[in-house]
Amino acid sequence: QSALTQPPSASGSPGQSVTISCTGTSSDINAYDSVSWYQQHPGKAPKLMIYEVSKRPSGVPDRFSGSKSGNTASLTVSGLQAEDEADYYCSSYAGNSNIDVVFGGGTKVTVL
Amino acid sequence: EEQLVESGGGLVQPGGSLRLSCAASGFTFSSDWMHWVRQVPGKGLVWVSRSNSDGTRTTYADSVRGRFTISRDNAKSTLYLQMNSLTAEDSAVYYCAREHSTSYNRFDPWGQGTLVTVSS
Repeated sequence: QSALTQPPSASGSPGQSVTISCTGTSSDINAYDSVSWYQQHPGKAPKLMIYEVSKRPSGVPDRFSGSKSGNTASLTVSGLQAEDEADYYCSSYAGNSNIDVVFGGGTKVTVL
Repeated sequence: EEQLVESGGGLVQPGGSLRLSCAASGFTFSSDWMHWVRQVPGKGLVWVSRSNSDGTRTTYADSVRGRFTISRDNAKSTLYLQMNSLTAEDSAVYYCAREHSTSYNRFDPWGQGTLVTVSS
């Protein structure tokens, strides 16, 4: 199972919005509404930001939103804040009997 | 507070073995599937292995199948990863993560990670 494809970097000024894409295949993103997004600050563990394509766990600001169309999922961070600068990883359930989950390569978001 | 704490990482020679542990607290460990995910410093996340709630069904990434074994002790709320025949390519930070029983691919929480270095 190949990794999902994300752009290596994205950036925006404080208050602006940034959208990160995550491209998969008909076997993962397109097949299941089980896309998740994780935020990871340097030296820290990943933190769940979005699950089931567009749901936010308790405590995650509503500035974070997710969507999906066909083989591509997207994470949008609106009203960028300095603390949003981090790496973001998408993930999808793969449904294969041997491989449960695939991750994207990660996108470094820089707040200018 | 839901928490996972990994331990057992360290320096091991190529061909050697290591056993990682992941102690859970703050949630009903025996109800949830558990995963191991690894990350080479500076690189992306890579899924390694999964155990269902009672440990009877397990899956592995192709890169570790036949060398790694995931197991769990629900009485101790602890997940394990036995790693054998280690190579330099296995060097990474290893995270354990809980997959919510009500939602596929919802990994939360994650442990803080434990570093495995395979080197002579």
